[in-house]
Amino acid sequence: SAVISQKPSRDICQRGTSLTIQCQVDSQVTMMFWYRQQPGQSLTLIATANQGSEATYESGFVIDKFPISRPNLTFSTLTVSNMSPEDSSIYLCSVESRDLGGLAGYGEQFFGPGTRLTVL
Amino acid sequence: GESVGLHLPTLSVQEGDNSIINCAYSNSASDYFIWYKQESGKGPQFIIDIRSNMDKRQGQRVTVLLNKTVKHLSLQIAATQPGDSAVYFCAENDSGAGSYQLTFGKGTKLSVIP
Repeated sequence: SAVISQKPSRDICQRGTSLTIQCQVDSQVTMMFWYRQQPGQSLTLIATANQGSEATYESGFVIDKFPISRPNLTFSTLTVSNMSPEDSSIYLCSVESRDLGGLAGYGEQFFGPGTRLTVL
Repeated sequence: GESVGLHLPTLSVQEGDNSIINCAYSNSASDYFIWYKQESGKGPQFIIDIRSNMDKRQGQRVTVLLNKTVKHLSLQIAATQPGDSAVYFCAENDSGAGSYQLTFGKGTKLSVIP
């Protein structure tokens, strides 16, 4: 497994501002994933962040709104830009077990504790 | 695409009884499935997984059943305890697509009555 931390754990922000969420892993990993979990709903993948390349965004998510950095193998940031109340969600990062020496071909993802964002 | 749903299905179980949580998955090519438990204020925690070449897998107090014919997954929790109260999500992956992405189901809230 992996120890994953996120900062901040929660924040309350004003409409139109931006927030950068940090994700730190205690192991070097190739891929990191960013998810959004809207209130009372399931997890939706925002993007996959590989070190040394641009993040790959899922349908409905764009780089201008959710820029991602991946400066090294243990760290990533997700920025929620020009926020609106609809961006109020829990944002989670995760890593994949194959990156941590799991069995080849399959792997569960380990999640950070999440960042609870409220936009007023 | 995103899950759509304003309210999570809820399952209420008496402490000591067995719980069964169900999940219908969408991609017939999915070959790897995971159950996660999410407690309030925390990230999802891995419970158990199963590959498509199996139809049953057991862990400690938990069993996952896979029915590929009807694309159905279930999680059975034996002797449910108050600490089992959480939201449970199933997730699927199609490893043949060369993707590591997990697609999550809508989730079920389990409430254990002491």
